[in-house]
Amino acid sequence: DAKTTQPTSMDCAEGRAANLPCNHSTISGNEYVYWYRQIHSQGPQYIIHGLKNNETNEMASLIITEDRKSSTLILPHATLRDTAVYYCIAAYNTDKLIFGTGTRLQVFP
Amino acid sequence: ETGVTQTPRHLVMGMTNKKSLKCEQHLGHNAMYWYKQSAKKPLELMFVYNFKEQTENNSVPSRFSPECPNSSHLFLHLHTLQPEDSALYLCASSQESGRDNEQFFGPGTRLTVL
Repeated sequence: DAKTTQPTSMDCAEGRAANLPCNHSTISGNEYVYWYRQIHSQGPQYIIHGLKNNETNEMASLIITEDRKSSTLILPHATLRDTAVYYCIAAYNTDKLIFGTGTRLQVFP
Repeated sequence: ETGVTQTPRHLVMGMTNKKSLKCEQHLGHNAMYWYKQSAKKPLELMFVYNFKEQTENNSVPSRFSPECPNSSHLFLHLHTLQPEDSALYLCASSQESGRDNEQFFGPGTRLTVL
């Protein structure tokens, strides 16, 4: 499974868009890009996933570059409750989710 | 509430004890998973069950014994654990394993081995 690289931490002002980058330069053609987040001491929460096309749901948008070597998770209007560790995972299916260390997003007032 | 419950939420046990963790999902899913999250480490997949059959064992020591009596329930039986087994144990479920669907996680059981 492809390895992903994310910044260790990021800050975002409340109400602003949070753009979380992820590099997955070795991703293969049939691997999806998944995003999960984990709020302190809770179980991870699914956010969104995609293969080639950009995706949007009620939580976030996922922008995947045309070469699929990187992606960006966008939280359009970050709130304090979005403070969490965000994980970007490249995997063929749900059996192969390998969680890395993620990006710790701190949303401040 | 994700539809996945875990009991107990906290457990303290000695190295010679036998205990079990329970996971139940109310989502009608067919796949269930056990993960381990040690302090300051990423989540590690332990076991995968699909339609009650174990499909993945990620080189987990035999002191951890999973059981899946039906698609809604998953147990993790623990015996003769070591202090380094202290961790947050998370259960998850998905519609079916081997597909590109989302996993729903429970709140976890915080295990401390003395």
